[in-house]
Amino acid sequence: RKEVEQDPGPFNVPEGATVAFNCTYSNSASQSFFWYRQDCRKEPKLLMSVYSSGNEDGRFTAQLNRASQYISLLIRDSKLSDSATYLCVVGDIYTDKLIFGTGTRLQVFP
Amino acid sequence: GAVVSQHPSWVICKSGTSVKIECRSLDFQATTMFWYRQFPKQSLMLMATSNEGSKATYEQGVEKDKFLINHASLTLSTLTVTSAHPEDSSFYICSAGGDYNEQFFGPGTRLTVL
Repeated sequence: RKEVEQDPGPFNVPEGATVAFNCTYSNSASQSFFWYRQDCRKEPKLLMSVYSSGNEDGRFTAQLNRASQYISLLIRDSKLSDSATYLCVVGDIYTDKLIFGTGTRLQVFP
Repeated sequence: GAVVSQHPSWVICKSGTSVKIECRSLDFQATTMFWYRQFPKQSLMLMATSNEGSKATYEQGVEKDKFLINHASLTLSTLTVTSAHPEDSSFYICSAGGDYNEQFFGPGTRLTVL
């Protein structure tokens, strides 16, 4: 079983749509959680950290459920520029390591 | 966030040659740097963790004699792919470690071995 699992997609949605991505992780000792965005042939860029209380940044909302070992990302009012691969990332603060999911591809069309 | 650079951004080489990739943290001192590899349509896979002034820690399955890592200063880590072969063709990305598991990624180096 992979340590971090995501639906690879692609998710094809029209502009203005709301789309949600889910992610599960296997290590219950994981301490930190992130969503990264990766554009084609580029490095990943941090989109947001994910906290147990949930957090929101503009059109993006992230949720963490530690009991179910489940992380989600909600994107509202999708823009063409949101087209990218979204990586679910889990961290271990004791080793400083990050474990990346394979990513979920989002394509927003006009 | 912090700025991390990588050089070169892409390289094409013949099979059997060695390739050195540099990773620099430009505006902060990074005690720990990480090297990842990403094959097409796959996840980033951690290859090794590099600590300034000490030997790198390699992940299981990564040959330390083939992927030489040097972290001689707080702003520079290098990865040398020795005797590269076509199966080593990949996207190599470094990152510099910050606080609370945050990592700042370089722009990556695309290696193609002919």
